[in-house]
Amino acid sequence: GESVGLHLPTLSVQEGDNSIINCAYSNSASDYFIWYKQESGKGPQFIIDIRSNMDKRQGQRVTVLLNKTVKHLSLQIAATQPGDSAVYFCAEMNGGSNYKLTFGKGTLLTVNP
Amino acid sequence: NAGVTQTPKFRILKIGQSMTLQCTQDMNHNYMYWYRQDPGMGLKLIYYSVGAGITDKGEVPNGYNVSRSTTEDFPLRLELAAPSQTSVYFCASSYNQGIYGYTFGSGTRLTVV
Repeated sequence: GESVGLHLPTLSVQEGDNSIINCAYSNSASDYFIWYKQESGKGPQFIIDIRSNMDKRQGQRVTVLLNKTVKHLSLQIAATQPGDSAVYFCAEMNGGSNYKLTFGKGTLLTVNP
Repeated sequence: NAGVTQTPKFRILKIGQSMTLQCTQDMNHNYMYWYRQDPGMGLKLIYYSVGAGITDKGEVPNGYNVSRSTTEDFPLRLELAAPSQTSVYFCASSYNQGIYGYTFGSGTRLTVV
């Protein structure tokens, strides 16, 4: 999993397995959350987002779950592929903070063929 | 539509030198941001702008300056480079106050020696 203050965690999975990447956020006032994917040498790329009035949101092969009670966010990737290998960041936003995103440190996902 | 373009991609500076990291976007986004990313870490906000002529400090603004004379351009200035500024710098933009996430540039890798 991922939490601000820890060194970069890693997750290694086999191709075809499902992956779950976790994130603990700190600000209970955050009302919008985003998962980003960052491949080596590139900028972060938007994957999926979720608002605080939702518990779950699904995209193509990805699902984000939000548990506001324990301030926890997770990203589930179905049927993980080698192209999914990257660093994944969660980011939180508090609308009252002038819409700035605060990023976690990221989780390195490695998919083994 | 090029998105967010950053130049240069790589740069080596000597301590005390100055340089400007360029960032331009062609999406007519009002919001623009500069982040730095240290190895194994998440992104930290340096400066941001909510529109032409308006800039504000982020989490780590010391040693940097910005300007926003046009909607398209948001350059980041380092006046007296220090080794602590060795990092990868990402520029990002968003249209609707960060909702749906930011569009990131590909980054500038800066080394100060």
